[in-house]
Amino acid sequence: GESVGLHLPTLSVQEGDNSIINCAYSNSASDYFIWYKQESGKGPQFIIDIRSNMDKRQGQRVTVLLNKTVKHLSLQIAATQPGDSAVYFCAEKEGNEKLTFGTGTRLTIIP
Amino acid sequence: NAGVMQNPRHLVRRRGQEARLRCSPMKGHSHVYWYRQLPEEGLKFMVYLQKENIIDESGMPKERFSAEFPKEGPSILRIQQVVRGDSAAYFCATKRAGESGYTFGSGTRLTVV
Repeated sequence: GESVGLHLPTLSVQEGDNSIINCAYSNSASDYFIWYKQESGKGPQFIIDIRSNMDKRQGQRVTVLLNKTVKHLSLQIAATQPGDSAVYFCAEKEGNEKLTFGTGTRLTIIP
Repeated sequence: NAGVMQNPRHLVRRRGQEARLRCSPMKGHSHVYWYRQLPEEGLKFMVYLQKENIIDESGMPKERFSAEFPKEGPSILRIQQVVRGDSAAYFCATKRAGESGYTFGSGTRLTVV
């Protein structure tokens, strides 16, 4: 079946550096993508989203890039802080609006 | 607005018992989605409901699992005759009709002993 996957299961970044988390998706019909942050014991928290008619979207310290040609999504976090340590998931919306999640990347910020 | 409320936060059941998980949507949200998450894994879609209707239950196991979203009250995910493999975190997400914003609850952590 179709799935959303991530290239790197874990990522360690020095505090203050930038981080990039990648995601590959296989459903070319997906038209909406979301990045979520999940801290231990909590539910997914919305970070940023992007529609398929865009290739880049910026938020506060975060940027999402979408490359539809290679079906690739990335999340860039600038000037990482200890509070950025969490598991990050990409998700795609398909059909009747249900979300399909990737397996996640654990980001650890090293002080 | 208290956000999406899930209860209980933690639930322990013996094998063979029933588990009932509740999800109260945000005000104005009529769409409810249930997801299951195993440790160190992503969220897996289970079921999508609107008021009094099941729209998509393609992720629900065919036996022992059921979900409802009545006209009044929270959405309920019910697991009958629980087995150890049902141990997981169960999250619901809700949204308004016609909008893209999904809001997740804090989840219910089910442990079957």
